[in-house]
This record gives sequence, structure tokens and C-alpha cells, in this order.
Amino acid sequence: KAGVTQTPRYLIKTRGQQVTLSCSPISGHRSVSWYQQTPGQGLQFLFEYFSETQRNKGNFPGRFSGRQFSNSRSEMNVSTLELGDSALYLCASSGHRANTGELFFGEGSRLTVL
Amino acid sequence: GDSVTQMEGPVTLSEEAFLTINCTYTATGYPSLFWYVQYPGEGLQLLLKATKADDKGSNKGFEATYRKETTSFHLEKGSVQVSDSAVYFCALSDSGDYKLSFGAGTTVTVRA
Repeated sequence: KAGVTQTPRYLIKTRGQQVTLSCSPISGHRSVSWYQQTPGQGLQFLFEYFSETQRNKGNFPGRFSGRQFSNSRSEMNVSTLELGDSALYLCASSGHRANTGELFFGEGSRLTVL
Repeated sequence: GDSVTQMEGPVTLSEEAFLTINCTYTATGYPSLFWYVQYPGEGLQLLLKATKADDKGSNKGFEATYRKETTSFHLEKGSVQVSDSAVYFCALSDSGDYKLSFGAGTTVTVRA
């Protein structure tokens, strides 16, 4: 069974640009979450989707947005990039409708903003 | 809001030593508690969980007991191996939140 797949794995952008990251969950999983990991702030929750509906959103500015498609694949977008957006962005999926906390994480997309 | 505080690292141990990583939490409800592990170059993996007070989660020789009275969920392993070198994250999840709140992570290095 394939795991959570995130693309691209690495990318470099400059300030002011925008970026779109993609996540394919484990087959059959309908819940997808996104987290930002940085050395200073640790792991911070961005948002969670279930069957195309956002059920929770973390404390990030409106430049951070996401969506989920009918096939459960998800994308997150960051517009007007800032240096502080440099981070590892982790996607996780769950096979449960309820919040069990049992997440399967991808290896992440490492974003560098210059 | 919910929060998790865990022992700062890094922690360096010799093989077969005893490992303990302290974790305490603050939550408004009755959270489930987790330990996730991140091996070098890999994504986070669930190591163990406990869903209610006095539950003990265990996996791969690691154990943690949900202590409501002390709001703690300390991770222990009696005899570590080099392959246990990783970053360990304590986390909690409140029902209805659809998110995990993570601690800062503790880097553990085990030397042969």
C-alpha cells in the first residue's frame, strides 16, 4: 500500500512568489492535514480537510490556503512568499472520519524562500 | 488552548542505556496522547498512543502511561539501540479539533 506522497520534495522560491504543494493520501483515506515544521516554531497545524470540507484551520495568515479534491488529493498554496515561510511542509492522512490523532505522514516538501 | 511541553534535547546515550523523555500537557478537554518519531530523512511515524487516563501505550520496547493527575505522558525505553536515534515528538489531540498539537521535539542520539 503506497504511503502519503508529497510533491515536489524540494523547491526554491523568491520573496513575493507563490507556491503550490501537492499531497496524495493513502488510498482510501479521506482526511488530509497539513503541518509546517520549522526549527524555531516546531510543528504547527495549518489545516485539515475531510471529503473536500475544511474542518479546522490553524493560526496562519490568509496567504496560506488549501483545498481538497473529490479524489481526496490535497493542495496547499502560499501566496506572496516571505523569508519566514521557509519550512518543511508535511501532509498527513487518516482513514478515520473522527479525530483519532492517528496520522500517516509524508516525507514533506522542503520550501526555501530566498 | 492545548499545549504540550517536552524535555529539551539533545539527548545522547550509549547503547543499552535507559531512556526517558518527559512530556506534560495542558488541555481543556480529555485529550488523547501520542508519541510520534521522526527517523533521519523520513516522515513522522506514530510510535504509541493512549486515549484515556491510566492507559499505557507501548510499541517497539517503548512505553508511556497517561497520567491525568500529573498531566504527563513520559516516554521510556529500558535498553536503547543505535537504531532508536531519532527525533521524538509528544502530541495531543482533543476530540472535535481534527488536529494534533505537538511538543518541540527531543533529539535522541544513541552511540554504539
